[in-house]
This record gives sequence, C-alpha cells and structure tokens, in this order.
Amino acid sequence: GAGVSQSPSNKVTEKGKDVELRCDPISGHTALYWYRQRLGQGLEFLIYFQGNSAPDKSGLPSDRFSAERTGESVSTLTIQRTQQEDSAVYLCASSLGALNEKLFFGSGTQLSVL
Amino acid sequence: GNSVTQMEGPVTLSEEAFLTINCTYTATGYPSLFWYVQYPGEGLQLLLKATKADDKGSNKGFEATYRKETTSFHLEKGSVQVSDSAVYFCALSEWNAGNMLTFGGGTRLMVKP
Repeated sequence: GAGVSQSPSNKVTEKGKDVELRCDPISGHTALYWYRQRLGQGLEFLIYFQGNSAPDKSGLPSDRFSAERTGESVSTLTIQRTQQEDSAVYLCASSLGALNEKLFFGSGTQLSVL
Repeated sequence: GNSVTQMEGPVTLSEEAFLTINCTYTATGYPSLFWYVQYPGEGLQLLLKATKADDKGSNKGFEATYRKETTSFHLEKGSVQVSDSAVYFCALSEWNAGNMLTFGGGTRLMVKP
C-alpha cells in the first residue's frame, strides 16, 4: 500500500482480555517500530524490528506485551491480560532501513480497556 | 539516557501570528533532530530535520536550527495559517542508540482565523 496501515483503528476490550494489533508497513521498509501514546503524553517507544536482526524490546513495559514480525512485512503487537493503564493509541512506523531516520507512521490503533 | 522536552500546549494563535515552539534535548552523543507533525485524524509525518550543529531544517515555512551550545531545536514560523493547526513533536535519534526516535510530549497548536 501507499502508507503504513494499522488495524483495527479502534478496539474496546474488557480488562483481562488479550488483544492483538496489526501493522502493515510500507513495502520494502526493513525497519518497523511500535510506539504508545497515552492521552496528553508523548510517544513511548515499545519495540523495534530491523531486518533479520533480533528485535530491540527494551521499551516493552511488561511481559504482558509481545510483538512479532514476519520477515520484513506484517507485525503484530499482542497485549495479554489487558489492564486499564494499557489504554492508549498504539502507533506503528516503518522506515527504509536502520540508518534511514525518516519514519512513516500509521494512523494508530486506539485501545480502550474498560 | 536521551530525552526531549518541549513546551506544553495548547498554543493558541491568530492567523498570521509568529510561532515559536521550544524544544530542548539531552543526548549522550551527537543526535539528529526532528520535528514531526500530526494533523487531525492523520498519522505523524516528518516536518523537518537537522543532522549536525548549526544546520537549519526548513519545510512549509517552518524552520528550526540545531543549537548544540544550548541543546535546543526550537520550531518557528513567521506567519501561521489555520491549516497549521496540529500537534507538533520534537524528536531525536542517535546511531549508537539504534536510531530509535525519542519523542517529546507534543505541543498542540490551534490557529484561529
């Protein structure tokens, strides 16, 4: 596609349920990032994939969070046993490569945990 | 660690007013600096960047100068338009930190006609 696509755009879930968020990066982009944006706050780094290298998971807030990426395409972010504090916009971004600093962002998934 | 601090919003201006959004940073080395913009209902997009001291990034009438001595990268525009209403994010990246972008908290700009 022309840009980074994320789905769903909105997700409402009950506390304790698992959720899966999807990101389709721009074709050919080897780098993929997940960020979280809580209401009124800045972007919080979660995880970074670059090609076939081991992902940088240093931003994941707890072991309830995990992410996978299939080759250099789709990525899924999974949150298990969701908590109310997980409510946020989850943003995915991709870039051409590790040294290419221009990130292209998706529109995000608004997650609401009731 | 790296961090970015920018002025809190919202900033409300009249059309054609002068805009400054302050941004300062803390970094261990020599980062690249960025301004990203998020228009209503859209994803973040790169507005401008500067990769070394004294560089000036510019785009769409916006400018920001990389000031190493004051560790700042303030965003300026001489005459704002209603269409500039958006949230602006200052960010940095360092190659020795995996080029991960570290963002500030964002500043909402509202321009009234």
